Amino acid sequence: AQSVTQLGSHVSVSEGALVLLRCNYSSSVPPYLFWYVQYPNQGLQLLLKYTSAATLVKGINGFEAEFKKSETSFHLTKPSAHMSDAAEYFCAVSAIQGAQKLVFGQGTRLTINP
Amino acid sequence: NAGVTQTPKFRILKIGQSMTLQCTQDMNHNYMYWYRQDPGMGLKLIYYSVGAGITDKGEVPNGYNVSRSTTEDFPLRLELAAPSQTSVYFCASSNTGQPNTEAFFGQGTRLTVV
Repeated sequence: AQSVTQLGSHVSVSEGALVLLRCNYSSSVPPYLFWYVQYPNQGLQLLLKYTSAATLVKGINGFEAEFKKSETSFHLTKPSAHMSDAAEYFCAVSAIQGAQKLVFGQGTRLTINP
Repeated sequence: NAGVTQTPKFRILKIGQSMTLQCTQDMNHNYMYWYRQDPGMGLKLIYYSVGAGITDKGEVPNGYNVSRSTTEDFPLRLELAAPSQTSVYFCASSNTGQPNTEAFFGQGTRLTVV
């Protein structure tokens, strides 16, 4: 079985500061890991995904995440926050063939302070 | 491009009423999914379909029914609405059932049962 834990339901940073959103996973098989972003009143949009090709994954809007097997982590970072980054971010894991059945973390709401 | 379209966007139901949440996609994806998102929680899979005429239960299927008569449409039926079904419902689709596949989400339907 797979599970995802996102540390911190709400993160607040200043504009221009580093963004760090934490995600730890549990999986009995090699996982595929995703970060999705949900802007207000919109559906989820893929930010980036880890598929074992490279441990450091670059996504859209300047975000990146590093897969660390020893720490079972897939933290999301962005060097410099922008006001437009304010959204809810979900980490998800998928490992089972047959359908893309995602298991999501509880989400982290990112607030950017001017 | 329309992508995944859900209707309605908002709905208030009385306990015991029934309704159908509509979902249609124009990407010719075989795989479609219904998730629910409760406050402070991640999305949980209700039902999914791997193609027209084929559906299967996800993690939280009780109280819901689905059908898949065409590739494009995947409606979710609530027969006897209960307050516990107050949630935001997301429909999604994917091109394949591979676990590394991106899922495309609709904008969601916010349902309140009173």
